[in-house]
Amino acid sequence: QSALTQPASVSGSPGQSITISCTGTSSDIGAYNYVSWYQQHPGKAPKLMIYDVSDRPSWVSDRFSGSKSGNTASLTISGLQAEDEADYYCSSFSSSSVERVFGGGTKLTVL
Amino acid sequence: EVQLVESGGGLVQPGGSLRLSCEVSGVTFSGYWMHWVRQVPGKGLVWVSRINSDGSHTSYAASVKGRFTISRDNAKNTLYLQMNSLRVEDTAVYYCVRGPPLRCLDYWGQGTLVTVSS
Repeated sequence: QSALTQPASVSGSPGQSITISCTGTSSDIGAYNYVSWYQQHPGKAPKLMIYDVSDRPSWVSDRFSGSKSGNTASLTISGLQAEDEADYYCSSFSSSSVERVFGGGTKLTVL
Repeated sequence: EVQLVESGGGLVQPGGSLRLSCEVSGVTFSGYWMHWVRQVPGKGLVWVSRINSDGSHTSYAASVKGRFTISRDNAKNTLYLQMNSLRVEDTAVYYCVRGPPLRCLDYWGQGTLVTVSS
């Protein structure tokens, strides 16, 4: 069982927007603005998409955005494209015994 | 070009040892935390261990504490993971990852597969 809770799957049609939620606790997401999101295509290494809740690295499209409210963080992808189909993981720094926690991952299907 | 290249994975019997290495190039190594993250094929990401920029502080997941040791050589831009008393449940792809302190994991290696089986 993962420390952060994500839906197992989401789907959307090209051009639509989707949101993936990530729920933690007051020891991780609720305590720090250090939420990050990772995209992983099959057989590939994860890639950083969002850091510090809502900041994007230079290599990420502005179609990707992040937010946080209380113990829940969210990743929104707008203007869905076929290449967005992948697994997405949220992560946070944690003050618990496990320093860095991940969500169980969400499989995004572009219909 | 940013490269984090892991090596040292392979097949080992339960109770055995392996040492993973990760050579970093094209991006600043010293000054950043370095992590090991593992993933059972088809499953999710699991954080394993972290070392701070000068190697003076380390942290481990409970499942590997006392068996795994993380270390780094800043002169060689290389990260290590010494894995002892390996168990079947340690079987996974192990990723070497760089990260600014506390914040995120910004550059990932391609991963090296560790298989623990008799």
